[in-house]
Amino acid sequence: DTGVSQDPRHKITKRGQNVTFRCDPISEHNRLYWYRQTLGQGPEFLTYFQNEAQLEKSRLLSDRFSAERPKGSFSTLEIQRTEQGDSAMYLCASSLLQNEQFFGPGTRLTVL
Amino acid sequence: AQTVTQSQPEMSVQEAETVTLSCTYDTSENNYYLFWYKQPPSRQMILVIRQEAYKQQNATENRFSVNFQKAAKSFSLKISDSQLGDTAMYFCAFIQGAQKLVFGQGTRLTINP
Repeated sequence: DTGVSQDPRHKITKRGQNVTFRCDPISEHNRLYWYRQTLGQGPEFLTYFQNEAQLEKSRLLSDRFSAERPKGSFSTLEIQRTEQGDSAMYLCASSLLQNEQFFGPGTRLTVL
Repeated sequence: AQTVTQSQPEMSVQEAETVTLSCTYDTSENNYYLFWYKQPPSRQMILVIRQEAYKQQNATENRFSVNFQKAAKSFSLKISDSQLGDTAMYFCAFIQGAQKLVFGQGTRLTINP
């Protein structure tokens, strides 16, 4: 399967802990996006990369959040000092053509 | 700011019926793209259909078609001959440029046997 993959699929952590998620895009895709989806809502944009450059960050991305895409391949999203409000599904998407994004299965984060 | 509104939180129809999901959006741009994404329970989001704003012809993909009214900023999805596998959350989304998708709140569609 050559789709977008995300790891882990589920993460349960205690408040105050740090967590890191990984996204592997479709191999030839140069753009990679992170979204957050809370229960019953549509996804909200967090940040996106073109190759290794982080081109836009949402105001939702507080200073506890950091994302990287070294070498323009996989990406990581780290949340430091997690809070209960961080509980959500974190979705990754990638694209090659300008406007068609393909989504991964998501990482569901639960902060206790 | 660009916004997308889906006014139907939930819909339910019988198998084989036709159903239409509504979406309106707000933008001052002239060139953009609109999408309908499907998110089945506990499964990942997949693209159902896309529409380029500069195209007057409505997009169709097998049983799925859209009614794109640019002046009214309306973009509805019609599902014909609905199937049990169509049960999912449906999200309308907007994009301008190679940037972020802006999603609506979603419509939960249930197809009953």
